[in-house]
Amino acid sequence: DTVLTQSPALAVSPGERVTISCRASESVSTLMHWYQQKPGQQPTLLIYLASNLESGVPARFSGSGSGTDFTLTIDPVEADDTATYYCQQSWNDPWTFGGGTKLELK
Amino acid sequence: EVQLVETGGGLVQPGRSLKLSCVASGFTFSSYWMYWIRQAPGKGLEWVSSINTDGGSTYYPDSVKGRFTISRDNAENTVYLQMNSLRSEDTATYYCAKGGSYVWYFDFWGPGTMVTVSS
Repeated sequence: DTVLTQSPALAVSPGERVTISCRASESVSTLMHWYQQKPGQQPTLLIYLASNLESGVPARFSGSGSGTDFTLTIDPVEADDTATYYCQQSWNDPWTFGGGTKLELK
Repeated sequence: EVQLVETGGGLVQPGRSLKLSCVASGFTFSSYWMYWIRQAPGKGLEWVSSINTDGGSTYYPDSVKGRFTISRDNAENTVYLQMNSLRSEDTATYYCAKGGSYVWYFDFWGPGTMVTVSS
């Protein structure tokens, strides 16, 4: 299975720029997607196909990468962005998720 | 407005069966792939199953293959997950999700239904 590795946690101050990384154990082309999950809620889609912003998602969110290295950037970070962020690949079977990065605001 | 509502969760003994349902509204259900994804308490997300638009093709990871069956009724705007031979490791919140326009991602998720497998 394709393993997606994310840093477990990050802490940033409001107004700062934060990058959340996701490294795949093998190439996933650009079939990488990003989700936000706030406590007690279901996930919501932020970015699809590595760099496409989902409709209704603030332009503060952006995605980049291809192959094995991907990044989700939030600039500037707002207090409401406190959440866990997951990457997900759909190039290799089975589809897999990263372990999630918990973003905390200082 | 897109809505997905899952039902059917609950407490079940190991080895028994359970069937989850997900009723969709607010979009042309028959035009989209549908999915089930689960999340064990305090853990990450795991893709569980996929079904194409007409129900003719289904996909599973090895962890549930042969035990779980996804199906859909386009006339009723409903997708199902039949879960047999349940194990303690199947304990999780089960989310129903709608496929995106390019299929390979989940562009809307329901609130989920909790399944607890325990004696």
